[in-house]
Amino acid sequence: QVTLKESGPGILQPSQTLSLTCTFSGFSLSTYGMGVGWIRQPSGKGLEWLANIWWDDDKYYNPSLKNRLTISKDTSNNQAFLKITNVDTADTATYYCARIDYYRYWGQGVMVTVSS
Amino acid sequence: DVLMTQTPVSLPVSLGGQVSISCRSSQSLVHSDGNTYLHWYLQKPGQSPQLLIYRVSNRFSGVPDRFSGSGSGTDFTLKISRVEPEDLGVYYCLQSTHFPLTFGSGTKLEIK
Repeated sequence: QVTLKESGPGILQPSQTLSLTCTFSGFSLSTYGMGVGWIRQPSGKGLEWLANIWWDDDKYYNPSLKNRLTISKDTSNNQAFLKITNVDTADTATYYCARIDYYRYWGQGVMVTVSS
Repeated sequence: DVLMTQTPVSLPVSLGGQVSISCRSSQSLVHSDGNTYLHWYLQKPGQSPQLLIYRVSNRFSGVPDRFSGSGSGTDFTLKISRVEPEDLGVYYCLQSTHFPLTFGSGTKLEIK
């Protein structure tokens, strides 16, 4: 059974760095072809893809976030991470991680609020 | 970036009825490997998106055959027949052929 669960700080202030963790089970990021992606959704709005990381540590980012993103993984502990630097109120959203094979498995999402 | 134009924004339907949702891309979604990476998701209220259809027309495990996907190139359609209450929510298309991945803006299926 594949599961993913996101965790994060809940609330942070503008200009801080947002650190998110995706803890998963049922698959391994050391397996050929596997990967995890991050997607976010502001309340009441649509979905925005942020970044992917693959088993071989290949990474892709959404250029709209202008080099603010860093994705990484800890294969031994079945975790993937996303950092977003210099956050502002526009980064307030629910953040999801998902397995990248057609994004067939998603976590429940974690709400992040950026507020002073 | 590939722009995904999804229509309609809102789709009133009677239970038991049939509806279609359109998703058009600003460029071809045919990958160099020959596959077309266009997928459909349903997001029910308060839930994460769930995969319905992958690569245009393949139903994900457990998805009823009331859901069908079709299309090619830049023009894609999701059809839902015999609409049931559990089908209500927001439908999104996603293209994963080109980076950055892009979603359609969503279609809200609601009871007429």
